[in-house]
Amino acid sequence: GENVEQHPSTLSVQEGDSAVIKCTYSDSASNYFPWYKQELGKRPQLIIDIRSNVGEKKDQRIAVTLNKTAKHFSLHITETQPEDSAVYFCAAPAPNTDKLIFGTGTRLQVFP
Amino acid sequence: NAGVTQTPKFQVLKTGQSMTLQCAQDMNHEYMSWYRQDPGMGLRLIHYSVGAGITDQGEVPNGYNVSRSTTEDFPLRLLSAAPSQTSVYFCASSYVPGSSYEQYFGPGTRLTVT
Repeated sequence: GENVEQHPSTLSVQEGDSAVIKCTYSDSASNYFPWYKQELGKRPQLIIDIRSNVGEKKDQRIAVTLNKTAKHFSLHITETQPEDSAVYFCAAPAPNTDKLIFGTGTRLQVFP
Repeated sequence: NAGVTQTPKFQVLKTGQSMTLQCAQDMNHEYMSWYRQDPGMGLRLIHYSVGAGITDQGEVPNGYNVSRSTTEDFPLRLLSAAPSQTSVYFCASSYVPGSSYEQYFGPGTRLTVT
């Protein structure tokens, strides 16, 4: 089955700095890699996703990169702002099933 | 559209009691799933369904039952509550295949088992 590992578990940055969160997955057949943001007390919401036929995708200050050879994908947030403070989850599908497996989450704190 | 709704928002149970967490969606999504969220453990899949009448186990199914009699509803039953089931429960829905599309999460149910 699929195993998704996420690092770091906590990340503190100064406002304006960049933040990078990395996930590794175990099954080379996985083909869809979403990132979710969960603000305190709220539900998780999709912020960006990437499919295995591209290596990078950007949406304003956030980007996701995928390295299929190394089986890892990363979330990049540039020019961080206090409202970026949240828990971020990566996920990957378990191939040959319809299960979506999440990483354990990264708590990002952006200090003014 | 209300999206994905869950009831109740909070629940306290005693060990051994049973209860049903309700989940409904009005987006005509075929795929629905239940996750539990525990500190440091992320979101773990309990059960999922790819359509009415079809359910399957996730990563942590023990102690939970589900059924899917309609497209809209996907209730989660705790058969005999245990303190280890203290958690926040999220229901989600999506297009099929659910593992390849955006998951729309409900607001969550915070369950405490004493």
